[in-house]
Amino acid sequence: DAGVTQSPTHLIKTRGQHVTLRCSPISGHKSVSWYQQVLGQGPQFIFQYYEKEERGRGNFPDRFSARQFPNYSSELNVNALLLGDSALYLCASSLGRTSSYEQYFGPGTRLTVT
Amino acid sequence: TQLLEQSPQFLSIQEGENLTVYCNSSSVFSSLQWYRQEPGEGPVLLVTVVTGGEVKKLKRLTFQFGDARKDSSLHITAAQPGDTGLYLCAGDNNDMRFGAGTRLTVKP
Repeated sequence: DAGVTQSPTHLIKTRGQHVTLRCSPISGHKSVSWYQQVLGQGPQFIFQYYEKEERGRGNFPDRFSARQFPNYSSELNVNALLLGDSALYLCASSLGRTSSYEQYFGPGTRLTVT
Repeated sequence: TQLLEQSPQFLSIQEGENLTVYCNSSSVFSSLQWYRQEPGEGPVLLVTVVTGGEVKKLKRLTFQFGDARKDSSLHITAAQPGDTGLYLCAGDNNDMRFGAGTRLTVKP
C-alpha cells in the first residue's frame, strides 16, 4: 500500500509569491494534518482537516490556508511568501480525528523562499 | 516557543552504550507520543503513552510517562548505529505539539 505522498518534493519561490503544496493520504484515512518544520525545530501544527472540514488550526497567519477534497487529499496554500516561510512542510494522515489514531507522515515538501 | 522541552539537544555516543532522553512540559497532556525522524523523511511513530506512570517497552527502547502526565523519558539500551536519528516527543493538547527533538548519533 502506498504511504502518504506529497508533491512537489522541493520548491524554490521568491518573496511575495504564493505556493500550493499537495498531499495524498493513505487510502481509507479521512484526517489530514499539516505541519511546518523549520531547520533545527520540531514540527509546528498548522491545520487539521477531517471529513473535509477544518478541525484544528495552529498559530499561523491568515496567509496560510488549506482545504480537503472529497477524495480526502489536501492542499496547503501560502500567500505573500516571506523568507521565514522556508521550511519542510509535512503532511500526516490518520484514520480518525484524535491522537488515539496513529499519524503517518509523508516525506515532506522542502520550500525555499529567496 | 516550544511547549515541550527536550534534552539533551544533541547526543553522540558509542555503539553499545545506554542513553536516556527527556521530554518536559509545564502542561498536562492527555497523551504523549515519541517519534523518530531520519533525514529527508517524515517522523515515524514509535509509541503512544496515555496513562500517568505508564511504561512501555519496544525491544531495546523503554518509554515512561510521568505520573502527572507532564513529562516523559526514552531510554535506549545497547544503542546501535541504526538508532541514529532525531527523536521527537509530541503531546496532545487539543492539537499535537512537538518538542524540538534530540538528535542522536550512535558511532560504530
